[in-house]
Amino acid sequence: EVQLVESGGGLVQPGRSLKLSCAASGFTFSNYYMAWVRQAPKKGLEWVATISTSGSRTYYPDSVKGRFTISRDNAKSSLYLQMNSLKSEDTATYYCARLGGKAYWGQGTLVTVSS
Amino acid sequence: DIQMTQSPSSLPASLGERVTISCRASQGISNNLNWYQQKPDGTIKPLIYYTSNLQSGVPSRFSGSGSGTDYSLTISSLEPEDFAMYYCQQDASFPLTFGSGTKLEIK
Repeated sequence: EVQLVESGGGLVQPGRSLKLSCAASGFTFSNYYMAWVRQAPKKGLEWVATISTSGSRTYYPDSVKGRFTISRDNAKSSLYLQMNSLKSEDTATYYCARLGGKAYWGQGTLVTVSS
Repeated sequence: DIQMTQSPSSLPASLGERVTISCRASQGISNNLNWYQQKPDGTIKPLIYYTSNLQSGVPSRFSGSGSGTDYSLTISSLEPEDFAMYYCQQDASFPLTFGSGTKLEIK
């Protein structure tokens, strides 16, 4: 059974950093692109980042480019999202996802940016 | 960036009814269109990929169609568990973009 389990969310002050993790199991992690998607309270879904199988290529929307970094450790079947210079508008539930084709999503972890 | 316009934003419907949700891309996306269902607890379930392919375990009452810029999700006969939010998403090019969502509500 495929499982994606996010962790690392919480309350953080504006301007500070936070790192999210996603533990994957039930599939060969190194064979798939992986992504982070977020959802602000009462809002729709927003794609945040994608990483290639080896980690050599990463993709971001303008809203997080230069502040967020996606990475992976294939040996640990883990995905990460380093979030720096956090803003109040980054408050959201962050989902780890294997998008495209046979897709899977985690349950999400809540990040609240507030003083 | 490719904009995804989803309609309607709210869809009141009855059990057993057939419903259709539409999604229009601002430019052609060559069938690279996926559909997701989100329940009130936040759980997101992939439904359809590449316009018309059902994800594993998705009931056959769900179907997808479309081409070019216009795509749709159809539920042939609504069951109680189908009342939820639905989102379309294109993966033809980065940045990946989602529709704004359709809330399927009990009439």
